[in-house]
Amino acid sequence: GAGVSQSPRYKVAKRGQDVALRCDPISGHVSLFWYQQALGQGPEFLTYFQNEAQLDKSGLPSDRFFAERPEGSVSTLKIQRTQQEDSAVYLCASSLDRDQQYFGPGTRLTVT
Amino acid sequence: GQQLNQSPQSMFIQEGEDVSMNCTSSSIFNTWLWYKQDPGEGPVLLIALYKAGELTSNGRLTAQFGITRKDSFLNISASIPSDVGIYFCAGQLPGTDKLIFGTGTRLQVFP
Repeated sequence: GAGVSQSPRYKVAKRGQDVALRCDPISGHVSLFWYQQALGQGPEFLTYFQNEAQLDKSGLPSDRFFAERPEGSVSTLKIQRTQQEDSAVYLCASSLDRDQQYFGPGTRLTVT
Repeated sequence: GQQLNQSPQSMFIQEGEDVSMNCTSSSIFNTWLWYKQDPGEGPVLLIALYKAGELTSNGRLTAQFGITRKDSFLNISASIPSDVGIYFCAGQLPGTDKLIFGTGTRLQVFP
């Protein structure tokens, strides 16, 4: 069966550009999570959806970060006016239960 | 952001040896999870633990949920070259759904 997929796998953006990162969760998974992973670190929570409702966005680092999941399936993480400190791997995870989260391969964002 | 204390930071072992790593927190967790991450890939779930004191195995992997609910350990027996990677613990605080990850243990296995 298909796992979590993310696109693009790699994105290079010039500072100040807007980017959009896509996540396709496992079919039927209600919960969807976004994490940010800096080089050499563990993933850090950004935001969480249950169906189309964004229940927790406490980890979003600034108002330049915005996530949506309008139909309760595919989700998009948008970063406006990217800055160098936004360079990281952005991981998406989905879960059927509220604990066992399954991760996608991530999108590596490099801001130059 | 908050990260759990995970040790050791890295391990270099010979094939066939057993490995042990642990994770500690100042907070109580409801769930502990262990993941393995290969370069360029997302974390892959290895073991999930739900109750204090629980001991769970998955093949050569064994993990335990600490009695105090503030720690967990992972053992790998008879290591093989494909065990190479970064191992992360992750905990779930009561009343939340997000995971808080450890700092990772990088494992290298030499033939």
